[in-house]
Amino acid sequence: DVKVTQSSRYLVKRTGEKVFLECVQDMDHENMFWYRQDPGLGLRLIYFSYDVKMKEKGDIPEGYSVSREKKERFSLILESASTNQTSMYLCASSYIGLEAFFGQGTRLTVV
Amino acid sequence: QQPVQSPQAVILREGEDAVINCSSSKALYSVHWYRQKHGEAPVFLMILLKGGEQKGHDKISASFNEKKQQSSLYLTASQLSYSGTYFCGTEDISSGSARQLTFGSGTQLTVLP
Repeated sequence: DVKVTQSSRYLVKRTGEKVFLECVQDMDHENMFWYRQDPGLGLRLIYFSYDVKMKEKGDIPEGYSVSREKKERFSLILESASTNQTSMYLCASSYIGLEAFFGQGTRLTVV
Repeated sequence: QQPVQSPQAVILREGEDAVINCSSSKALYSVHWYRQKHGEAPVFLMILLKGGEQKGHDKISASFNEKKQQSSLYLTASQLSYSGTYFCGTEDISSGSARQLTFGSGTQLTVLP
């Protein structure tokens, strides 16, 4: 079975903190994605990566950055967390052109 | 840019049919469909590639109209287990080798006994 593992299910951080969300996949997928999920807005793409050290902005990249130093790991970084970044964050991975597999999500609360 | 899904919500009785629509303003390589149950990760249902194909398994099927950049998901003789939020995801051609997978805002489907 494909596994996409996110490091935390729940996180509480303070405004202004630097926050790291980690995602690891075990299927040698080229593509990895970070989405945030908010009620009524669906899944919005923050960043994605199609190879090691390669990244592309999605629809809502402001306030976020990413890192992909190894193929299996894709990190989402909130440089200075703000309350409007309180959300559910979902990581996904896929082979190019094939189905995406999702992690269980990280519910981040910024206070 | 997110694809547009409709309707936003639908309530059915067991055994009734439903159609969920998805449209994009971009030229698409493929359309994906996923279902998410409350508190769980989205789960893949099917993928349709450009070429205007129709796919299905069991009582859930989908079509992709490449000319209109539209896809529809068909749920027939719905079961209680079909309840959840359905998302369409689109891969657009303009990204070149970087295939961006963008999702719509979702359709909440509730099947009542």
